[in-house]
Amino acid sequence: NAGVMQNPRHLVRRRGQEARLRCSPMKGHSHVYWYRQLPEEGLKFMVYLQKENIIDESGMPKERFSAEFPKEGPSILRIQQVVRGDSAAYFCASSYGQGTYNEQFFGPGTRLTVL
Amino acid sequence: AQSVTQPDIHITVSEGASLELRCNYSYGATPYLFWYVQSPGQGLQLLLKYFSGDTLVQGIKGFEAEFKRSQSSFNLRKPSVHWSDAAEYFCAVGLSGGGADGLTFGKGTHLIIQP
Repeated sequence: NAGVMQNPRHLVRRRGQEARLRCSPMKGHSHVYWYRQLPEEGLKFMVYLQKENIIDESGMPKERFSAEFPKEGPSILRIQQVVRGDSAAYFCASSYGQGTYNEQFFGPGTRLTVL
Repeated sequence: AQSVTQPDIHITVSEGASLELRCNYSYGATPYLFWYVQSPGQGLQLLLKYFSGDTLVQGIKGFEAEFKRSQSSFNLRKPSVHWSDAAEYFCAVGLSGGGADGLTFGKGTHLIIQP
């Protein structure tokens, strides 16, 4: 009965490096959402993906950030040339179907620290 | 665009006392409403949700929430809190009508339980 899995749980990068965050949705779920949580803030929606498609990336920064959800394997959130402001907790959620009436199940998050 | 306000950043209650966490939303139509709980270093767990129908909804762990359209509120309540309820609580709103967007979260209320 595995839930949403994210790895790594903690990631430390120096400024200018790349960060790759992975998310494996719950079994049977084909919809993935990425959220970012800055300190003392709520979660901010970044991107919504289905297998091989980006459905909504309205919350994604225009530069340095990208996301994918390939046919096989986990969803990947990629941050290029990280800056200190990217330090945050990144949460992935998955759902069975499209639309917010389908419950989103959250993973434990990846805490990114940029030195 | 929808928004969520949680007016109380911190709330302290004594163990065994009643609890009410406030949530106000801004949205043009009836939204889907959610309360999530986040324990330190963990992901989010859904406590309850409102889509339609009875405006008083029951959730897990003894929580309930009441949707009041006239006040644009969805306050979370519990008649008697336990020390294990200490956590961060987030109210969230989602688009009704099956929209593909992610959830919009409030900034959270940090609940402290006094012995």
